[in-house]
Amino acid sequence: AQKITQTQPGMFVQEKEAVTLDCTYDTSDPSYGLFWYKQPSSGEMIFLIYQGSYDQQNATEGRYSLNFQKARKSANLVISASQLGDSAMYFCAMREGQGYSTLTFGKGTMLLVSP
Amino acid sequence: SAVISQKPSRDICQRGTSLTIQCQVDSQVTMMFWYRQQPGQSLTLIATANQGSEATYESGFVIDKFPISRPNLTFSTLTVSNMSPEDSSIYLCSVESDRGDRGGNIQYFGAGTRLSVL
Repeated sequence: AQKITQTQPGMFVQEKEAVTLDCTYDTSDPSYGLFWYKQPSSGEMIFLIYQGSYDQQNATEGRYSLNFQKARKSANLVISASQLGDSAMYFCAMREGQGYSTLTFGKGTMLLVSP
Repeated sequence: SAVISQKPSRDICQRGTSLTIQCQVDSQVTMMFWYRQQPGQSLTLIATANQGSEATYESGFVIDKFPISRPNLTFSTLTVSNMSPEDSSIYLCSVESDRGDRGGNIQYFGAGTRLSVL
């Protein structure tokens, strides 16, 4: 079974509107971290936001927020007030366990922001 | 956050040749990670590189094809050996950095190396 599932291959949103990118995960480890990265066409991977499994509150970073629903094992990314520069590929990733461990990535969602 | 310099940013190589990718970090880190992203795909971990020891390779990746060096705590190289067109990908290095008060160890990535093999 896939550990990270992103069901939306592509999403469209108009500038200044909010958009939600879906991510569900699968793990039996009680300690884990969830990440979102942005990859523009240049290819670099830009860290956006992090949510730890024991964090009581949903993470926020500027226009980015993470809608963390632990019981449903979902970690959706919400981008408020979309900008043209938000057009990119977005990846959800998970790290299981504590300490150093590797990331498992989802297949990504391509977001296109239109004027 | 860690600042990672990766080079070359892109290259076009001939079949059968090898390319070495360099990754430099602005602070000392215990582990460095190398990923491959094939066209239109997600990231796949190649190996984890610890300073002073052999890299740990993931299933499907072998040292003869992807030798890795980690001579110190701020530098690593990945070599793609005996290249074929199937090796055309983006290769990315990353390091893990503690955010301190904000919590969480975050993996930060270099800008990537876009490799095309003819």
